[in-house]
Amino acid sequence: AQSVAQPEDQVNVAEGNPLTVKCTYSVSGNPYLFWYVQYPNRGLQFLLKYITGDNLVKGSYGFEAEFNKSQTSFHLKKPSALVSDSALYFCAVRDYGGANNLFFGTGTRLTVIP
Amino acid sequence: DAGVIQSPRHEVTEMGQEVTLRCKPISGHDYLFWYRQTMMRGLELLIYFNNNVPIDDSGMPEDRFSAKMPNASFSTLKIQPSEPRDSAVYFCASSLAGGGGTFGSGTRLTVV
Repeated sequence: AQSVAQPEDQVNVAEGNPLTVKCTYSVSGNPYLFWYVQYPNRGLQFLLKYITGDNLVKGSYGFEAEFNKSQTSFHLKKPSALVSDSALYFCAVRDYGGANNLFFGTGTRLTVIP
Repeated sequence: DAGVIQSPRHEVTEMGQEVTLRCKPISGHDYLFWYRQTMMRGLELLIYFNNNVPIDDSGMPEDRFSAKMPNASFSTLKIQPSEPRDSAVYFCASSLAGGGGTFGSGTRLTVV
């Protein structure tokens, strides 16, 4: 069965500091991994994905994520946080070897403090 | 492409009434997903379709919920009869095989 864990409900970071939002996953086959961002009263917006290849994936708005197979992790990172990055972030996994549906984590609320 | 289009954006209805939510996926996408988002339960997958066929409806909470996809460009999620605990934001998403989903803006349902 597929599952995604986002261990932190809330992450606070000062503007200009690096940020990390954590995600670990569990799938039976090869994982397809995704990060989405949700701003208030909006739908989810795609940030980046890992399918195969380079473990470091670069996405929208300066975000990047590193796939670590041994730790089954896919943490989202940004070198310098902006106040406008404050939002709800979701990690998701799709098991290409199994069911083809997309499972989401519970979300992490990122607050960037000016 | 206009993206995934959901209607209505907001729906307020009385308990016991039938509610129908609509979704137009991105043309060419062969997967369609319905999600429900609440503060208490987060984002829940209700059902998903592949090539218009329901594949997994295990997330549908009760028999009051039903979803259809009569063709590749349209899907509905129906709640009958509606209850206050159904109040949530309902998202539709579509994708290609192996891809992430592109989400619509959601329908905010309030059942009073």
